[in-house]
Amino acid sequence: NAGVTQTPKFQVLKTGQSMTLQCAQDMNHEYMSWYRQDPGMGLRLIHYSVGAGITDQGEVPNGYNVSRSTTEDFPLRLLSAAPSQTSVYFCASSYMNAGELFFGEGSRLTVL
Amino acid sequence: KQEVTQIPAALSVPEGENLVLNCSFTDSAIYNLQWFRQDPGKGLTSLLLIQSSQREQTSGRLNASLDKSSGRSTLYIAASQPGDSATYLCAVPYGGATNKLIFGTGTLLAVQP
Repeated sequence: NAGVTQTPKFQVLKTGQSMTLQCAQDMNHEYMSWYRQDPGMGLRLIHYSVGAGITDQGEVPNGYNVSRSTTEDFPLRLLSAAPSQTSVYFCASSYMNAGELFFGEGSRLTVL
Repeated sequence: KQEVTQIPAALSVPEGENLVLNCSFTDSAIYNLQWFRQDPGKGLTSLLLIQSSQREQTSGRLNASLDKSSGRSTLYIAASQPGDSATYLCAVPYGGATNKLIFGTGTLLAVQP
């Protein structure tokens, strides 16, 4: 049972490049979300999904796109990377609303 | 707007000591509160989830209490061990029953052998 899997673990981008952070879970969880973690600011919610085909914005959605075509996958797309998007990104999932959250190991992104 | 605060930001204790980590929130109308542990370079692991109707929740050497009226939660760690060294974070839902969480900035705990 792999849980929540994030790829890549590390990525360096140049300003203006685009990329996709992958997140997959094998626990059949309906609820999935993306957070970013920055020093001194804690984790902040980027985007959120309550099931396939349904997404919602979080606290800091600008510059990011998501889609949820399957229950298992919830990719996060950076459209045009900026240095302010340098961060550690975490994907999380849950089997129920307001339930225990399961996190991936994180993806560390540096934008030069 | 809900704000979550954790004080102190860092704590160092000798092995074997009992300790308390604090979490404060500004809006007492929370649905539940979760405590997480984060090891360096790793993701978060949920430790305890305490519902708004509960006063406390226990798991092994960990005990979490919740006082909604005062906007506080504490995580009590008994007989601390070096393996408990990590960052501990608390989080509450944005509003109502949701998995959209607001996190505190965490307390970095170091347990000295």
